[in-house]
Amino acid sequence: QKEVEQNSGPLSVPEGAIASLNCTYSDRGSQSFFWYRQYSGKSPELIMFIYSNGDKEDGRFTAQLNKASQYVSLLIRDSQPSDSATYLCAVRGRAGGTSYGKLTFGQGTILTVHP
Amino acid sequence: KAGVTQTPRYLIKTRGQQVTLSCSPISGHRSVSWYQQTPGQGLQFLFEYFSETQRNKGNFPGRFSGRQFSNSRSEMNVSTLELGDSALYLCASSQNPVTGELFFGEGSRLTVL
Repeated sequence: QKEVEQNSGPLSVPEGAIASLNCTYSDRGSQSFFWYRQYSGKSPELIMFIYSNGDKEDGRFTAQLNKASQYVSLLIRDSQPSDSATYLCAVRGRAGGTSYGKLTFGQGTILTVHP
Repeated sequence: KAGVTQTPRYLIKTRGQQVTLSCSPISGHRSVSWYQQTPGQGLQFLFEYFSETQRNKGNFPGRFSGRQFSNSRSEMNVSTLELGDSALYLCASSQNPVTGELFFGEGSRLTVL
């Protein structure tokens, strides 16, 4: 089992729709969770982070965390063509030496928003 | 506030050579991490430095090494390059290396011929 798994995608949604991106993780002691966006040929850009169970909203983006189910998701409302990118879920493990500077990334989900 | 700066952005080497990549973190960030990104393996953690000390290391051979200087700038070195080392090497800095988010530089794209 991979440590962090994402929908393989690609995911295609029409402009204005809600895009839903999902991620599961295997380490129950994981403490913090991140969503990065990566445009083709560019480096990952942080979109959201979430530490506690529940929802966290930032503009058109909502991150949802359910630690009991070991599940984290990202919702993008009113999707725009400029949202087309690869979305990477990243997890930081339990506190301790092995978590210093280390995020474990999923393989990413390619999102395409078509006009 | 300037972001994470990596140099060089692109480089081409041949098998057996070595390469050194440089990273300047965001001002005030003392933790620097390095990642390798390839199409097949995705983003994989190489190592993390804080106050000139390597505190965490990923599953890479000893050919991959790094260091951090007193001004928090970091370098990584890959010796005896192999074709499989072709990748985007990303540096990230963090204010809180235990729980905080990572901010990535633009990366150094290495091609090994």
